Amino acid sequence: KNQVEQSPQSLIILEGKNCTLQCNYTVSPFSNLRWYKQDTGRGPVSLTIMTFSENTKSNGRYTATLDADTKQSSLHITASQLSDSASYICVVSANSGGYQKVTFGIGTKLQVIP
Amino acid sequence: NAGVTQTPKFQVLKTGQSMTLQCAQDMNHEYMSWYRQDPGMGLRLIHYSVGAGITDQGEVPNGYNVSRSTTEDFPLRLLSAAPSQTSVYFCASSYLTSGTRYNEQFFGPGTRLTVL
Repeated sequence: KNQVEQSPQSLIILEGKNCTLQCNYTVSPFSNLRWYKQDTGRGPVSLTIMTFSENTKSNGRYTATLDADTKQSSLHITASQLSDSASYICVVSANSGGYQKVTFGIGTKLQVIP
Repeated sequence: NAGVTQTPKFQVLKTGQSMTLQCAQDMNHEYMSWYRQDPGMGLRLIHYSVGAGITDQGEVPNGYNVSRSTTEDFPLRLLSAAPSQTSVYFCASSYLTSGTRYNEQFFGPGTRLTVL
């Protein structure tokens, strides 16, 4: 069964500090991995997307890494801001009969405090 | 572009009532889908559509119906609401993926549904 596990479940950091969120998956055949940011009361918004051949992708202060051999990904947030407070969701897609079957992680709830 | 819009934003139903959650997109996306998000669980796919007139079941389809008469609209119907359907519902759309080609999913703002 395809699974996506994220850690930690929640995290509190001081404004200006860095943090790293983890994602482990058992999805095959692997197609791509995405990180989404979901603000409270809103829909998820895409941050990065990586395919099998990519091992790092940046979007401003967000940097995602992918190790397809160990089936792990991380999302590193640099110089955190109060607006980074949100849930971060790891999403892994598998190829399935010409379409992509998508499995969502539960998310990591990040709170940035002054 | 309004992107993906959903109405209503909040809804309270009594057990057994029916209602339709509306979803529309103005990006000419072929693929549209409905998810539910519950505490402690990842988003789960309810139904999806790869184009007008074509729909299929996702992971948790029971208790829900969909139709896709136009490219823009993809309503979700609850025929007889149950407390287990209390959740936040998200509609999403994207261009149709094919093989390993990826197309970003755009999500609506969500509908928070409570069934008493």
